[in-house]
Amino acid sequence: GENVEQHPSTLSVQEGDSAVIKCTYSDSASNYFPWYKQELGKRPQLIIDIRSNVGEKKDQRIAVTLNKTAKHFSLHITETQPEDSAVYFCAAKRDTGRRALTFGSGTRLQVQP
Amino acid sequence: DGGITQSPKYLFRKEGQNVTLSCEQNLNHDAMYWYRQDPGQGLRLIYYSQIVNDFQKGDIAEGYSVSREKKESFPLTVTSAQKNPTAFYLCASTGRDRGMGGAFFGQGTRLTVV
Repeated sequence: GENVEQHPSTLSVQEGDSAVIKCTYSDSASNYFPWYKQELGKRPQLIIDIRSNVGEKKDQRIAVTLNKTAKHFSLHITETQPEDSAVYFCAAKRDTGRRALTFGSGTRLQVQP
Repeated sequence: DGGITQSPKYLFRKEGQNVTLSCEQNLNHDAMYWYRQDPGQGLRLIYYSQIVNDFQKGDIAEGYSVSREKKESFPLTVTSAQKNPTAFYLCASTGRDRGMGGAFFGQGTRLTVV
């Protein structure tokens, strides 16, 4: 089955700096890669996603890049703000067979004011 | 107001008891999922259902059971066979309106064994 590895497990940055979180996946049939943000005690919220036929996608301060050959994808947050502090999860999914998201282990991002 | 609702928010279980967690959605989504989250860890798939009256085991199905008798509902039963059930349980659903399947999550049920 699919295995998603996520690094780093914790990340501390100064306000205004950029943050990068990286994930690798094992199933070459995976073709959908979302990122979720989870604040303490709350539900995960989808923040951005990318399909395998696209190499990069941006939404304001957030971007995701995908290297399908190397089977890795990354989340980039620019101009970080204290409200970006949360746990971020990457995930991967295929559209045949087991069509359920497999999640990485999460990255706790702390933005220092 | 469309969404996915889990109840209860907090649940306490005694040793040897079965408990059922409720998950209801009014988004007209076909697929529904149950995930378990332990402190400081990611989400692990328990069961999922792509269509009514059909469901499949995920990675950690032992000690759990589900049913999918209605499109809107996907209850999870934590049985006494689940030896370490204390965790945060998240239900999710996906529909075609979210492209390939970005899941929309309920607010979660925190289960504690007492």
